[in-house]
Amino acid sequence: SQTIHQWPATLVQPVGSPLSLECTVEGTSNPNLYWYRQAAGRGLQLLFYSVGIGQISSEVPQNLSASRPQDRQFILSSKKLLLSDSGFYLCAWSGSGQGINTIYFGEGSWLTVV
Amino acid sequence: LAKTTQPISMDSYEGQEVNITCSHNNIATNDYITWYQQFPSQGPRFIIQGYKTKVTNEVASLFIPADRKSSTLSLPRVSLSDTAVYYCLVAYGDTGFQKLVFGTGTRLLVSP
Repeated sequence: SQTIHQWPATLVQPVGSPLSLECTVEGTSNPNLYWYRQAAGRGLQLLFYSVGIGQISSEVPQNLSASRPQDRQFILSSKKLLLSDSGFYLCAWSGSGQGINTIYFGEGSWLTVV
Repeated sequence: LAKTTQPISMDSYEGQEVNITCSHNNIATNDYITWYQQFPSQGPRFIIQGYKTKVTNEVASLFIPADRKSSTLSLPRVSLSDTAVYYCLVAYGDTGFQKLVFGTGTRLLVSP
């Protein structure tokens, strides 16, 4: 069966420090990968998505970047965190075949920038 | 992407049936309707997905009228553990890629 792992689960970082959140998917190949962010009490905002290695699309201009160095690895990064980067970050994956593909989410990472 | 509209919140009591309706007036021919459940500090969990008429699984039913401009998630006999946020999403199903954009969802509160 397919699984998705995301870490770290909780992170407290000072303003101006770097960020690296990592996500890996197991049990499938060539998945579509996503990073979402959720502010407290709000809906989920799509940040980045990837349909293949090295192929990253950004949905909103921001202080973050994403990379996909391997087929089932998706990394969210920042060189210098801002207070506004605080939130709940979710990695997700879906199949890449034709037709409808359900998106499955990881457990999320809480980032607090202080 | 089709825009969805849901009630912001709903209240219910244990044992009751809860119906959450979502409007998606500009749904396209190839769009599917998917519902997710999210508990605090967890990732959304897939509940049910459908294209038309009625779909039922072990946790919920999804009713979709013929014009597909709305859909209703039905949770039978809710319990306290069903307190969560429920998201209705419309996903383009013609290719293998879906760029799901979540709205604010419906906060369901189940009381004893």
